[in-house]
Amino acid sequence: ETGVTQTPRHLVMGMTNKKSLKCEQHLGHNAMYWYKQSAKKPLELMFVYNFKEQTENNSVPSRFSPECPNSSHLFLHLHTLQPEDSALYLCASSQLSTSGSYEQYFGPGTRLTVT
Amino acid sequence: LAKTTQPISMDSYEGQEVNITCSHNNIATNDYITWYQQFPSQGPRFIIQGYKTKVTNEVASLFIPADRKSSTLSLPRVSLSDTAVYYCLVETGNQFYFGTGTSLTVIP
Repeated sequence: ETGVTQTPRHLVMGMTNKKSLKCEQHLGHNAMYWYKQSAKKPLELMFVYNFKEQTENNSVPSRFSPECPNSSHLFLHLHTLQPEDSALYLCASSQLSTSGSYEQYFGPGTRLTVT
Repeated sequence: LAKTTQPISMDSYEGQEVNITCSHNNIATNDYITWYQQFPSQGPRFIIQGYKTKVTNEVASLFIPADRKSSTLSLPRVSLSDTAVYYCLVETGNQFYFGTGTSLTVIP
């Protein structure tokens, strides 16, 4: 148990569906992240929220839309996805500090399959 | 661009020391190096982090040479439960460059 929970753990959706992934952290951290993990590829950072403000968007397609209503919750809204979007989506949180180094705590991930 | 590269897989017998090396030729002055462990159906878990020279904690050691273009994760006396994928990460500001991971298999 890392203090970061994700729901659902598994999701199957059609290309015309709209769904949302939820992440919650119970660690009092001030930063949260979405990653995509595909088979045989490095983890890809999708979005970063520092103090609830999005600071990074690594050219992620607009069919992925993040939302961070407060420092403990993070959502990833999905719509009109493609089969190549099937992957494990991981949420993480960390406590940013002036030292420049920080440990990320990952949730268990949501296994997404787009049919 | 601090791209990281690491071996795809390694095998080791129980009780042996395992060293996994990660290359990061373009690492910047302020970048930290972090290693994570991942089991199937779980998110990555922090193992150790360092900036230079050597760092040791209760589970691993991290060796970083003076030029910082590589780093080596050392796992002492591995057990079967250490079978997992190990990722090297270089943090450059808000950019994180994970390696493709090294799949370690510990053999009885």
